[in-house]
Amino acid sequence: QITLKESGPTLVKPTQTLTLTCTFSGFSLSTSGVAVGWIRQPPGKALEWLALIYWNDDKPYSPSLESRLSVTKDTSKNQVVLTMTNMDPVDTATYYCAQRRGSTFEHWGQGTLVTVSS
Amino acid sequence: QSALTQPASVSGSPGQSITISCTGTSSDVGGYNYVSWYQQHPGKAPKLMIYDVSNRPSGVPNRFSGSKSGNTASLTISGLQAEDEADYFCSSYSGSSTRVVFGGGTKLTVL
Repeated sequence: QITLKESGPTLVKPTQTLTLTCTFSGFSLSTSGVAVGWIRQPPGKALEWLALIYWNDDKPYSPSLESRLSVTKDTSKNQVVLTMTNMDPVDTATYYCAQRRGSTFEHWGQGTLVTVSS
Repeated sequence: QSALTQPASVSGSPGQSITISCTGTSSDVGGYNYVSWYQQHPGKAPKLMIYDVSNRPSGVPNRFSGSKSGNTASLTISGLQAEDEADYFCSSYSGSSTRVVFGGGTKLTVL
């Protein structure tokens, strides 16, 4: 059974850096072809892809946010960490991590709501 | 503004069929057979319903089907049921620097 769970702060102040951790089980990020992605969804709005990290450490980012994003993996802990700098109230959203198999997000975490406010 | 265009809402009565469209470009939907559809109930995480245009993951009812023509993909739900009422998002692989693109979402109402 594959599960993913996001963890991190629920409230951050403007200009601060957000760090979210995705802890997963049921698959290995050292297996060829496997990736974990980050997707966010502002309240009442659409999904927005943020970043991917592949088994081979390839890390594509959303071009519109690339300068603010960083993603790393710890294969031994089955964790992926997303860092987003210079947070702004428009970054308020539910942040999801998801297992990417092929070209689809097959399994999703429950999501974590991050509010950006002073 | 989302990269893929979906209708904001669709509706249908129980037992009927509905189709949700997802229009992109030749750089995403039209260029690859990598369109996915996700169902999202309020307050829940998205759930994969269709991948690679027309494939259903295990456990997804065969009432859900996907297709593609040119730059437009479609999700069809036949025999509508009350539990199908949800938001539906399409997604595609993109050959541009934006590897993954999503649609704006479609709210399905079962009347």
